[in-house]
Amino acid sequence: EDQVTQSPEALRLQEGESSSLNCSYTVSGLRGLFWYRQDPGKGPEFLFTLYSAGEEKEKERLKATLTKKESFLHITAPKPEDSATYLCAAVNQAGTALIFGKGTTLSVSS
Amino acid sequence: DSGVTQTPKHLITATGQRVTLRCSPRSGDLSVYWYQQSLDQGLQFLIHYYNGEERAKGNILERFSAQQFPDLHSELNLSSLELGDSALYFCASSVSSGRSYNEQFFGPGTRLTVL
Repeated sequence: EDQVTQSPEALRLQEGESSSLNCSYTVSGLRGLFWYRQDPGKGPEFLFTLYSAGEEKEKERLKATLTKKESFLHITAPKPEDSATYLCAAVNQAGTALIFGKGTTLSVSS
Repeated sequence: DSGVTQTPKHLITATGQRVTLRCSPRSGDLSVYWYQQSLDQGLQFLIHYYNGEERAKGNILERFSAQQFPDLHSELNLSSLELGDSALYFCASSVSSGRSYNEQFFGPGTRLTVL
């Protein structure tokens, strides 16, 4: 069964303290790996799409990378406004839907 | 703002009732997806429509149904509501056709509370 697992479930950082969020996947014929940010009570906001192992995408303090088994979201020198839940999702070869992980809730304090 | 709109924002109803949630996709997107998000289950895919046709079904209960209209807006109908149906319901749209390989853009959601 296709599955996406994110770790840790929660992460507390001090402002400026860099870290990484992990997304491991077992998906038949991965066709895309997506990262979203979700604020409480809001809809997920699209961040990145990665299609093949070795690919990297960057946006401000965020950098997403992809290997054959997992993806990482690296957060460099985070600020309090980066506090949110970060969701990872994969789509398999059948392409029927996004398979979401349960997310990592990031809290950044000043 | 993703460009996807959903109404209503909040809905409070009683067990056994029927409700309709509405979604308008981004301009130009032909695909609409519905998801349910509860605290313990995370985001769960319900159903996908492309240009008026059903393309894929996920964990959608028989009490739930959806359709996409010629103007591309979509409605999710939930009937015989139970307490466990209380959740956030999201609609997403993308340029994808049958295969969901492109990123999806999510609406702000409808919070359903069943009392």
